[in-house]
Amino acid sequence: EPEVTQTPSHQVTQMGQEVILRCVPISNHLYFYWYRQILGQKVEFLVSFYNNEISEKSEIFDDQFSVERPDGSNFTLKIRSTKLEDSAMYFCASSGDRGFYGYTFGSGTRLTVV
Amino acid sequence: AQTVTQSQPEMSVQEAETVTLSCTYDTSESDYYLFWYKQPPSRQMILVIRQEAYKQQNATENRFSVNFQKAAKSFSLKISDSQLGDAAMYFCAYHRDTDKLIFGTGTRLQVFP
Repeated sequence: EPEVTQTPSHQVTQMGQEVILRCVPISNHLYFYWYRQILGQKVEFLVSFYNNEISEKSEIFDDQFSVERPDGSNFTLKIRSTKLEDSAMYFCASSGDRGFYGYTFGSGTRLTVV
Repeated sequence: AQTVTQSQPEMSVQEAETVTLSCTYDTSESDYYLFWYKQPPSRQMILVIRQEAYKQQNATENRFSVNFQKAAKSFSLKISDSQLGDAAMYFCAYHRDTDKLIFGTGTRLQVFP
């Protein structure tokens, strides 16, 4: 069964550093998403991406965040200057049909900001 | 704005028994989709079951079934013949013609042998 692959599985970074979280969505999917889950809390939407541009973003997704699909296969989330409160599990997801049949999620990247 | 509420932070069930997890949601829309996702200790989000709001028939996937009450805006998940591998966080989620999936706060299910 096709998978969404995320790397790294765990990243530790110092406050103020830039991090890039990487995702390889399912190859024939057209819609891509980032969600995050602060430990023990609900899963929150960050951003959706379609046709090489952001289609929707949440209030969390401020100027410190950016997304890119640099080469037609990878989908990245960059956090420019990490804060302690950015520590969370970050999930990438993709869908072939705008999510109507459910998204396929990756296994997540645990980001720890120290 | 749409909201999803899961009022049971934790539930437990004995192996081979049946358990029902509750979910309510709030929306003014008539066409939408509802999902249950399972998050085991590995933290991966796994789609369990999906319901289209315009379909009256309740969705079923093997041991998992839903009770969808559109008028009451209720979407509960029933797990029959519970297995140890069913132990996980379960999230109810709502989706409509916007891009984001809106999640509830989750229910932690414990399964005892």
